[in-house]
Amino acid sequence: GAVVSQHPSWVICKSGTSVKIECRSLDFQATTMFWYRQFPKQSLMLMATSNEGSKATYEQGVEKDKFLINHASLTLSTLTVTSAHPEDSSFYICSARDQGTYTLSNTEAFFGQGTRLTVV
Amino acid sequence: KQEVTQIPAALSVPEGENLVLNCSFTDSAIYNLQWFRQDPGKGLTSLLLIQSSQREQTSGRLNASLDKSSGRSTLYIAASQPGDSATYLCAVNSGGYQKVTFGTGTKLQVIP
Repeated sequence: GAVVSQHPSWVICKSGTSVKIECRSLDFQATTMFWYRQFPKQSLMLMATSNEGSKATYEQGVEKDKFLINHASLTLSTLTVTSAHPEDSSFYICSARDQGTYTLSNTEAFFGQGTRLTVV
Repeated sequence: KQEVTQIPAALSVPEGENLVLNCSFTDSAIYNLQWFRQDPGKGLTSLLLIQSSQREQTSGRLNASLDKSSGRSTLYIAASQPGDSATYLCAVNSGGYQKVTFGTGTKLQVIP
């Protein structure tokens, strides 16, 4: 299957600093990528939909000024957690679909390895 | 808005048992449904993908079924092993932008 690479896999930062997480589709192009967040012992919740060349679409309750998303190319989307605080500590994961095989019959989403963010 | 629920939330079984995990979703207009496993502190491992036009998919000891009209999917694990211990998530692909909505998860423990 297609590969989505997410970097870094884990990061520890001080409260008040910003952290950038990258999500790359390695062997396919993705017009749309998705960012999820998972708090301990909870399921994954969609934060935002990242669209190449346009503004991201955020889910209700997600602060767009705090979680900046940039999808500058068909293979890269970034999530920046600005002015991070301990309550932002979570597991962040991205997913993407292969634009080249975007049909109703083949729409498998491929996921990155995830990034564990700890804010101290 | 799509909502996905998994039952049971946790399950503990002795090694060798066959087991069934359940997933239900509220909007039957889906593109596909995926089953994942997640080990503690780790990312997602895709297990099976069922397209909306399919009824079931099999991979080794795993079999997933889909009844789109009733909004249900089941994951059948045969001859469970301790290595199967993990949290199992079902994820439904539906709606605009084909968003993936995750279920609440079933935490499985297989006891040796």
